Amino acid sequence: AQSVTQLDSQVPVFEEAPVELRCNYSSSVSVYLFWYVQYPNQGLQLLLKYLSGSTLVKGINGFEAEFNKSQTSFHLRKPSVHISDTAEYFCAVSDQGGSEKLVFGKGTKLTVNP
Amino acid sequence: DGGITQSPKYLFRKEGQNVTLSCEQNLNHDAMYWYRQDPGQGLRLIYYSQIVNDFQKGDIAEGYSVSREKKESFPLTVTSAQKNPTAFNLCASSIGLVTDTQYFGPGTRLTVL
Repeated sequence: AQSVTQLDSQVPVFEEAPVELRCNYSSSVSVYLFWYVQYPNQGLQLLLKYLSGSTLVKGINGFEAEFNKSQTSFHLRKPSVHISDTAEYFCAVSDQGGSEKLVFGKGTKLTVNP
Repeated sequence: DGGITQSPKYLFRKEGQNVTLSCEQNLNHDAMYWYRQDPGQGLRLIYYSQIVNDFQKGDIAEGYSVSREKKESFPLTVTSAQKNPTAFNLCASSIGLVTDTQYFGPGTRLTVL
């Protein structure tokens, strides 16, 4: 069965600084990878996903993520954050050809300070 | 507007009482999901349904039940057997393939008094 580890539960940064949110996964088969964002007291929305092809994936709001198969990682990056990026970010994985379920990490709370 | 609605936004339950959380979607999606979110735990799958009149248990189904009589509706009942019902419950839907984006509702916060 697959699993996801988000290495940092909280990441504080200053506005306009770069940020990287780390995600590692484990699976015995090939995977699909996703990043979702949750703003306070709301549901989740998709930031980006890796299905196949280019390992660098660009998403909404200036975020991007790179799939690294050898390191089983899918870290999320943004070169310059805004106050409005303050939210909780979830990495998720599903097996290719397996069940239709997503397995989520425990989340990373990003706080952008002025 | 297309989307997913969940009601109520806040729900209070007395111990020993069953309650039902509503989830409706007008996206014409085949698949629907219920997740439970606890602080520091991420999202854990309770139940999911790939098609009308069919559903499967997720990772934490004990103390919960669902039905899928209509494509657009997937209500979740939290029974008195659920030992820790206080949680933020999220409903989602997708076209149905594992590669598809899941679209989430705004959630229902259930508190046991």
